[in-house]
Amino acid sequence: QKEVEQDPGPLSVPEGAIVSLNCTYSNSAFQYFMWYRQYSRKGPELLMYTYSSGNKEDGRFTAQVDKSSKYISLFIRDSQPSDSATYLCAMIAPSGTYKYIFGTGTRLKVLA
Amino acid sequence: DSGVTQTPKHLITATGQRVTLRCSPRSGDLSVYWYQQSLDQGLQFLIQYYNGEERAKGNILERFSAQQFPDLHSELNLSSLELGDSALYFCASSVEGIPREQYFGPGTRLTVT
Repeated sequence: QKEVEQDPGPLSVPEGAIVSLNCTYSNSAFQYFMWYRQYSRKGPELLMYTYSSGNKEDGRFTAQVDKSSKYISLFIRDSQPSDSATYLCAMIAPSGTYKYIFGTGTRLKVLA
Repeated sequence: DSGVTQTPKHLITATGQRVTLRCSPRSGDLSVYWYQQSLDQGLQFLIQYYNGEERAKGNILERFSAQQFPDLHSELNLSSLELGDSALYFCASSVEGIPREQYFGPGTRLTVT
């Protein structure tokens, strides 16, 4: 079993829909949780990072962490065709030399 | 534009050869991270340097090495190249010693033939 699991998709939604992207993990030592957006053949772009459990909002994006369930989510409101990309979750366990794992990414297509 | 630069953009070489990839971090960033992204492996963290010192290691092969110079630019050296080393190699930088907020460069596409 991988330490971080992410559904590869593709996930296709109509423009304006609310999108939910998720990752599960097995290591309870993870404390920092990041979401990146990656357009085809480009470098990943940091969207948000959160520390421990709770919600964080930035514009149309909301990141949610449930440490008791070892489950993190990224919600995108009012999705746009320009949101079509691969979304990667990443996690850090900051103990000693930290552990740092990326999910495999979910491909999202927002249809106009 | 993230402010992180990588050269070259593309590299085509033969098996057994050695190549060097270069990365310049954003102004003020002390950490440089190297990643490999292939279709079947996803994004793999290779190694991090912080202010000239190795800070963390991921899944880096012994045939690969990196260093960070006093001006904070970094180089990733790949030797005895194999077909399976064909991938996108990304560099990222951050102010801090852990990758909470890091900024990625445009990548170097390596093709080994």
